[in-house]
Amino acid sequence: GAGVSQTPSNKVTEKGKYVELRCDPISGHTALYWYRQSLGQGPEFLIYFQGTGAADDSGLPNDRFFAVRPEGSVSTLKIQRTERGDSAVYLCASSFGLWETQYFGPGTRLLVL
Amino acid sequence: KQEVTQIPAALSVPEGENLVLNCSFTDSAIYNLQWFRQDPGKGLTSLLLIQSSQREQTSGRLNASLDKSSGRSTLYIAASQPGDSATYLCAVGRRDMRFGAGTRLTVKP
Repeated sequence: GAGVSQTPSNKVTEKGKYVELRCDPISGHTALYWYRQSLGQGPEFLIYFQGTGAADDSGLPNDRFFAVRPEGSVSTLKIQRTERGDSAVYLCASSFGLWETQYFGPGTRLLVL
Repeated sequence: KQEVTQIPAALSVPEGENLVLNCSFTDSAIYNLQWFRQDPGKGLTSLLLIQSSQREQTSGRLNASLDKSSGRSTLYIAASQPGDSATYLCAVGRRDMRFGAGTRLTVKP
């Protein structure tokens, strides 16, 4: 079956702009996670959803970052007033339940100029 | 805060060699530990998941062990192949997983 998909695969934007990154989880997976991976580092947890609600958003670095999952399926990570330091690969994962193996998408590579 | 460290950062071996990758974590109160593989420009692929009550897991040529008391896990790869070349990441936790920086493995033909 289809895996986790993320769009766009690459995004180049200018400092100060607003961006949205989309994640389509595996069908039937109730839990969804966002991570950020900088070059040469492991992924860093940002937020996870169980259903429609953000169960833990403690990893979001500041209030410029926000994520939604209005219907309990697709999720959008929103970044306001982007900064060069936001440049990274943003990974999305989903799992059948909170305790299950997480399946990762290919990521969105964000470059802020 | 949980800290995860992976040693070595990079490893190059000839094809056919057996090898061990190391992962250490600072807080032994973990729910599970997972090993992932990441190919350049790609997402992560789960290789093995070890529950906190387990000592090891095996899949094909891969064997992962877990010693919670010492805060360590190892990933053993038998008879390495060029196709095993990738970055291997370990992660601990439940929902908010904490990752190490990874070991970049190169298997030379």
